[in-house]
Amino acid sequence: AQSVTQLDSQVPVFEEAPVELRCNYSSSVSVYLFWYVQYPNQGLQLLLKYLSGSTLVESINGFEAEFNKSQTSFHLRKPSVHISDTAEYFCAVSQGDNFNKFYFGSGTKLNVKP
Amino acid sequence: EAQVTQNPRYLITVTGKKLTVTCSQNMNHEYMSWYRQDPGLGLRQIYYSMNVEVTDKGDVPEGYKVSRKEKRNFPLILESPSPNQTSLYFCASSRFGTGELFFGEGSRLTVL
Repeated sequence: AQSVTQLDSQVPVFEEAPVELRCNYSSSVSVYLFWYVQYPNQGLQLLLKYLSGSTLVESINGFEAEFNKSQTSFHLRKPSVHISDTAEYFCAVSQGDNFNKFYFGSGTKLNVKP
Repeated sequence: EAQVTQNPRYLITVTGKKLTVTCSQNMNHEYMSWYRQDPGLGLRQIYYSMNVEVTDKGDVPEGYKVSRKEKRNFPLILESPSPNQTSLYFCASSRFGTGELFFGEGSRLTVL
């Protein structure tokens, strides 16, 4: 089985500052990597994903994540955060050809302060 | 509007009283799955289904049942709920081969 570790349960940051949310996973064999965001009282929404190809993936709202196979990491970064980025962020890993099993980290609450 | 709909959104019940949480998607997705979200543990997969009549266990299937008789519906059944099943439950669906999950808004279940 796969395990996904998000070491930071909460990350406070001021608006317009850079942020990095860390994610490490246990096995690098044939993995697919995702970041999901959860706004209060809502379900999760896909932020970005790595399936193959370029190891740097970007979202439409300025987030990016880099797949690092040697370090088994998929950290999420944004150079300048906004108040509206306040949410909980989940790293997820899927294994196998059919994306049938998913493993989620415990989540990181990003709190952007004015 | 493309969506995954769960019902009920909130439920308080008592130990041993059978309940069903329904999940329906209107995107013609082959894949559907159930998760529970608990503080500090993130989401854990309960069951998933690759298509009609095809289901399999996730990481925490004990105490739950599922069925997939129609492509759009994937109900979660708690035959004899216990307090340790108090949790926030999410249903999700995905088009086969994409890995992108579309989540419902969640069902908060309390078992007394």
